[in-house]
Amino acid sequence: EPEVTQTPSHQVTQMGQEVILRCVPISNHLYFYWYRQILGQKVEFLVSFYNNEISEKSEIFDDQFSVERPDGSNFTLKIRSTKLEDSAMYFCASKSKPNTGELFFGEGSRLTVL
Amino acid sequence: AQSVTQPDIHITVSEGASLELRCNYSYGATPYLFWYVQSPGQGLQLLLKYFSGDTLVQGIKGFEAEFKRSQSSFNLRKPSVHWSDAAEYFCAVGAHTGGFKTIFGAGTRLFVKA
Repeated sequence: EPEVTQTPSHQVTQMGQEVILRCVPISNHLYFYWYRQILGQKVEFLVSFYNNEISEKSEIFDDQFSVERPDGSNFTLKIRSTKLEDSAMYFCASKSKPNTGELFFGEGSRLTVL
Repeated sequence: AQSVTQPDIHITVSEGASLELRCNYSYGATPYLFWYVQSPGQGLQLLLKYFSGDTLVQGIKGFEAEFKRSQSSFNLRKPSVHWSDAAEYFCAVGAHTGGFKTIFGAGTRLFVKA
């Protein structure tokens, strides 16, 4: 069964460092998302991406965040100058249809900022 | 803007007992509604979804949910809970426009006692 894969599974970084989280969405999917889940809290929408551009972003997705689809398979989330409060689980998700499509999630990348 | 409320932070049920998890949504149009389940350290898996038609929808693992427009609710039910059902359950609503994002409720953690 096709799946969304994310790397790394866990990353520890120092405050102020840049982090890149990588995702390989399901191959025939066209809509890509990043979500964040701070430990014990809700799953929060960060950004949606379609046709090589951001289609929507949340208030959380400020200038320290960026996304990119550098090739036909990868979808990355870059966090510049990480802060302690960026520590969370980051989930990549993708779907094939815009509104009725089921979101398929990766297993997540746990980011710990020290 | 869409929003989801799950009023119960956690629920404990005995194995074999019935389960109902509550969900209320807010959305200006006919909602696209989902229930996802998250086991510890894992990503989110779709249990079931509602787009239109029959308001009682069946999902995987013996779960069902009923859409009630008059109450803006989409409660999840299971007639007999198994110990393996212990997990976090998220209700979600999908947008029709923009980035077609899916917004999640805060989640309900289900504990199952023997």
